[in-house]
Amino acid sequence: NAGVMQNPRHLVRRRGQEARLRCSPMKGHSHVYWYRQLPEEGLKFMVYLQKENIIDESGMPKERFSAEFPKEGPSILRIQQVVRGDSAAYFCASSPPGLRDTQYFGPGTRLTVL
Amino acid sequence: SQELEQSPQSLIVQEGKNLTINCTSSKTLYGLYWYKQKYGEGLIFLMMLQKGGEEKSHEKITAKLDEKKQQSSLHITASQPSHAGIYLCGAAINAGKSTFGDGTTLTVKP
Repeated sequence: NAGVMQNPRHLVRRRGQEARLRCSPMKGHSHVYWYRQLPEEGLKFMVYLQKENIIDESGMPKERFSAEFPKEGPSILRIQQVVRGDSAAYFCASSPPGLRDTQYFGPGTRLTVL
Repeated sequence: SQELEQSPQSLIVQEGKNLTINCTSSKTLYGLYWYKQKYGEGLIFLMMLQKGGEEKSHEKITAKLDEKKQQSSLHITASQPSHAGIYLCGAAINAGKSTFGDGTTLTVKP
C-alpha cells in the first residue's frame, strides 16, 4: 500500500504565477488535509477535505488559495499569483474513514517563489 | 485554541546519551502524536497516545502521556546519529484538524 503521494516534490515559480500542488491519499483514505510549514515556523493547518467537499478551511488565507478534492483524481492545492511569502513546504495528509485523527503525511512539496 | 509547547527547542547530545523531549498542552489532550521530520523531508509518524498514563515504545524511542493528559514526553535511549532530526508533537483539536508544536531539533554528535 503506497503512502500519501505528493507532486511535485519541488516547485519553483516566479511572482505572479500559479502554483498547483497535488496530493494522492493512501488507498482507502477519504479524508485529506493540507498543512503549510513556513521557514522557521511550525506546521499550520490549512484545510480539511473529503471527496467533493471542503469540511474546514479555517486555516486557508482568504485570497489566492483554494483547494479541491474531486470525486476522481488527486486533491489539488492551488495558489494564484504567488508571492515570495508563499515559499514554504506544503504537506498533505490523509486518514481513513472513521479515524480522522490518525493522519499519514506525504513527503511534502517545497515551493520556492523567486 | 489549543496550544502545544515543546521543549527544548533544540538539543545537542553525544552519541550514546539518553535524552527527553517534552510537549505540554494548554488543554486536555484527546490524542497526542509524535512525528519525526528530517530536514527537507516529510513527516514520519512515530506513535500515538490516547489514554492517560499510556506509554508506547518503538525501538529505542519511548513516549508517554501523563495521567492528566496535558503533557507528553519522548525519550530516546542510547541516541544514535540516525535519531537526528526534528521531533514534532501534534494533537487533534477536533475531528480532522490538528495542531502542532514548533518542534525540537535534535543533533547527535558521533
